[in-house]
Amino acid sequence: KAGVTQTPRYLIKTRGQQVTLSCSPISGHRSVSWYQQTPGQGLQFLFEYFSETQRNKGNFPGRFSGRQFSNSRSEMNVSTLELGDSALYLCASSEVMRGATDTQYFGPGTRLTVL
Amino acid sequence: GEDVEQSLFLSVREGDSSVINCTYTDSSSTYLYWYKQEPGAGLQLLTYIFSNMDMKQDQRLTVLLNKKDKHLSLRIADTQTGDSAIYFCAEEVDKIIFGKGTRLHILP
Repeated sequence: KAGVTQTPRYLIKTRGQQVTLSCSPISGHRSVSWYQQTPGQGLQFLFEYFSETQRNKGNFPGRFSGRQFSNSRSEMNVSTLELGDSALYLCASSEVMRGATDTQYFGPGTRLTVL
Repeated sequence: GEDVEQSLFLSVREGDSSVINCTYTDSSSTYLYWYKQEPGAGLQLLTYIFSNMDMKQDQRLTVLLNKKDKHLSLRIADTQTGDSAIYFCAEEVDKIIFGKGTRLHILP
């Protein structure tokens, strides 16, 4: 099986722009979670989607949004980018919702740099 | 508030046991997790423990949970060079909260 794929791998944007990141889970996986990793704040949970519905959300402003399609692929959108949004964005997929399984697989991440 | 604390560094000799400790604040945590992040590689979910369990063992890994003290530990037996990584502890309440990570350094 192919692993979790994230596109693009690297992205450079300027303040005020918006960005869309994509995550394709492992085939058959219905849960996709998104995380932000920065040197200062560490790893932070953004949100989880399961069967096209947002199930859990972290403490991020409304500029961060996401969605999941019927094929379980997920997109994350950040509008009005700020310098502090520069981070590695990780997505993870699992067959069922996080917490009910220990088989969660992470993608390589998208490195977003905001100038 | 919700917080997960862990020490930043740990050095262990190859072949010894490593014990990585973590404390959390929210007593209503449902699951507690250990993740591993190797240099240049992605994040890997190592193991999790349900909050009504005291211990979980999986090959060289042993997770101990002291719910009274809100203390979680990960023991790696017979530590190898391949165990060199950053280990993140995380608790789940209505969302998942990560610690800052413990960098495990293996001494020859």
